[in-house]
Amino acid sequence: KNQVEQSPQSLIILEGKNCTLQCNYTVSPFSNLRWYKQDTGRGPVSLTIMTFSENTKSNGRYTATLDADTKQSSLHITASQLSDSASYICVVSAGGSARQLTFGSGTQLTVLP
Amino acid sequence: GAVVSQHPSRVICKSGTSVKIECRSLDFQATTMFWYRQFPKQSLMLMATSNEGSKATYEQGVEKDKFLINHASLTLSTLTVTSAHPEDSSFYICSASRQQSNYGYTFGSGTRLTVV
Repeated sequence: KNQVEQSPQSLIILEGKNCTLQCNYTVSPFSNLRWYKQDTGRGPVSLTIMTFSENTKSNGRYTATLDADTKQSSLHITASQLSDSASYICVVSAGGSARQLTFGSGTQLTVLP
Repeated sequence: GAVVSQHPSRVICKSGTSVKIECRSLDFQATTMFWYRQFPKQSLMLMATSNEGSKATYEQGVEKDKFLINHASLTLSTLTVTSAHPEDSSFYICSASRQQSNYGYTFGSGTRLTVV
């Protein structure tokens, strides 16, 4: 069964600090891995999408890494801001259909002033 | 970019009534849209795939008669929760992908349904 596990479940950091969120997956076949940011009461917003051949991808202060051999990904947030407080969801795709997406349960990040 | 609009953002209804949620792709055509349900602190769960001009495909365990899906045009899909009960209270999210795109799924902003 395809699974995506994220850690930690929740994280509290002070504004300005960096943090790293983890995603381990057992999805086969592998097509791509996506990180989404979901604010409370809102739909997920895409941060990065990486295919098998990509090791890292950045989007502003967000940098995602992918190790396809160990089936691990991380999302690094630099110089955190209060607006970074949200749930960060790792989603792994096994193909081109939404039915082939496996969602992680997310990491709830809280940035305190 | 790809924009998906979902309406309403919040709705409160009485038990036994029906509620319609709209999902629109604003700047692209979507032959397929997807409906998800999300409980607090849990992952999104795919409910059904909405196909333009044909019947929706429901995931196992989702009642097709309770969650009616209509995809009448390339830019609009609707989810109707019929005879709503308190246990239907949840966060419903739609998503759509540009045609011929394997990567980008854009999500709507979600609808918080509360059945009282």
